Amino acid sequence: DAGVIQSPRHEVTEMGQEVTLRCKPISGHNSLFWYRQTMMRGLELLIYFNNNVPIDDSGMPEDRFSAKMPNASFSTLKIQPSEPRDSAVYFCASSFRAGWTEAFFGQGTRLTVV
Amino acid sequence: AQSVTQLDSQVPVFEEAPVELRCNYSSSVSVYLFWYVQYPNQGLQLLLKYLSGSTLVKGINGFEAEFNKSQTSFHLRKPSVHISDTAEYFCAVSDGGSQGNLIFGKGTKLSVKP
Repeated sequence: DAGVIQSPRHEVTEMGQEVTLRCKPISGHNSLFWYRQTMMRGLELLIYFNNNVPIDDSGMPEDRFSAKMPNASFSTLKIQPSEPRDSAVYFCASSFRAGWTEAFFGQGTRLTVV
Repeated sequence: AQSVTQLDSQVPVFEEAPVELRCNYSSSVSVYLFWYVQYPNQGLQLLLKYLSGSTLVKGINGFEAEFNKSQTSFHLRKPSVHISDTAEYFCAVSDGGSQGNLIFGKGTKLSVKP
């Protein structure tokens, strides 16, 4: 398996634009996590899905952020409109069974909002 | 909600010296504990995990950790570090529920000097 695949690896956008980050989890995994990493706040859990259903989105910073998982092999994290403070590395991770096994991380998307 | 505290944000150490990275978690009926490593510009990868059984857990690259329930700790150790161990290390906890999430500490940057 190729592991968790995220795209794009790098994204530079202007303030106010819509940004969509994509994630393909490992086949057979039923849990998917979105994290945001910054120097100031470290690694924050934004949202996680179990069997394509959002379980906890309390980490989503505000309504500008939304996440979907239309099927077991694809998820998106959307920011609309984007702001400079959204600049961070966004990681997607998947696991076979949330909490019981380890999560496997993608390489991340480095987002810069100017 | 679960939480994780990594007491040291940075740990400098000389090559071939021993190292301990500290991690404490908030108490719960049952917990599952993980240590991850992140090399520059990469995603996180699993070092080791504790799910049950022996409290001393061995991982990759010569690392080990000990689960101490009474002290709610899961400290990471290596008897002799190498330059290549320079990275950021994250402790994570899950309550192991069927829909459990995975919460990370803020990380400890290990810097190994020659």
